[in-house]
Amino acid sequence: RKEVEQDPGPFNVPEGATVAFNCTYSNSASQSFFWYRQDCRKEPKLLMSVYSSGNEDGRFTAQLNRASQYISLLIRDSKLSDSATYLCVVNKAAGNKLTFGGGTRVLVKP
Amino acid sequence: EAGVAQSPRYKIIEKRQSVAFWCNPISGHATLYWYQQILGQGPKLLIQFQNNGVVDDSQLPKDRFSAERLKGVDSTLKIQPAKLEDSAVYLCASSLGSGYNSPLHFGNGTRLTVT
Repeated sequence: RKEVEQDPGPFNVPEGATVAFNCTYSNSASQSFFWYRQDCRKEPKLLMSVYSSGNEDGRFTAQLNRASQYISLLIRDSKLSDSATYLCVVNKAAGNKLTFGGGTRVLVKP
Repeated sequence: EAGVAQSPRYKIIEKRQSVAFWCNPISGHATLYWYQQILGQGPKLLIQFQNNGVVDDSQLPKDRFSAERLKGVDSTLKIQPAKLEDSAVYLCASSLGSGYNSPLHFGNGTRLTVT
């Protein structure tokens, strides 16, 4: 089992719709979690950190479910510019090592 | 704030040749990472430095890959000899701390093609 797993997609989303996707992690001792966004042929950029209580940043909402060992990202009112690959990143407790998932590709269409 | 600088942006070499990549992290960032990203996959950590010491190089193919971070600032990653499967984007990242609640800042990457 991979340490961090994501549905590769693509998720084809009509503009204005809501899309949500998950990321599962295998190490129950993982301490911190992030979502990164990566545009085609660009470097990954931090989208948001994921806190235990859940957090929201504009149209983006991130949730953490420790019992089931997954994090989620929800995008409301999708824009064409939200088309990207969303990478889940998990920090293992030991050694503070960051592990990336394979990414979920989202395509927002008019 | 200047970002993470990497060079070159692109490199094409033949298999069995050698290649080197350079990275200059954000000023003051103690932790530096080299990731390999193969097309269609997420970034895979090759090596992590804390200042000039290696924290993790468990996934670095040490028979052909080497990296150093002299003086705890700039870093170079070398491949010798290159194989076809080394074709990928090599991303350098830095963070203020050692990862825990310390997000990564990436450079533009070096796109390597091995023919």
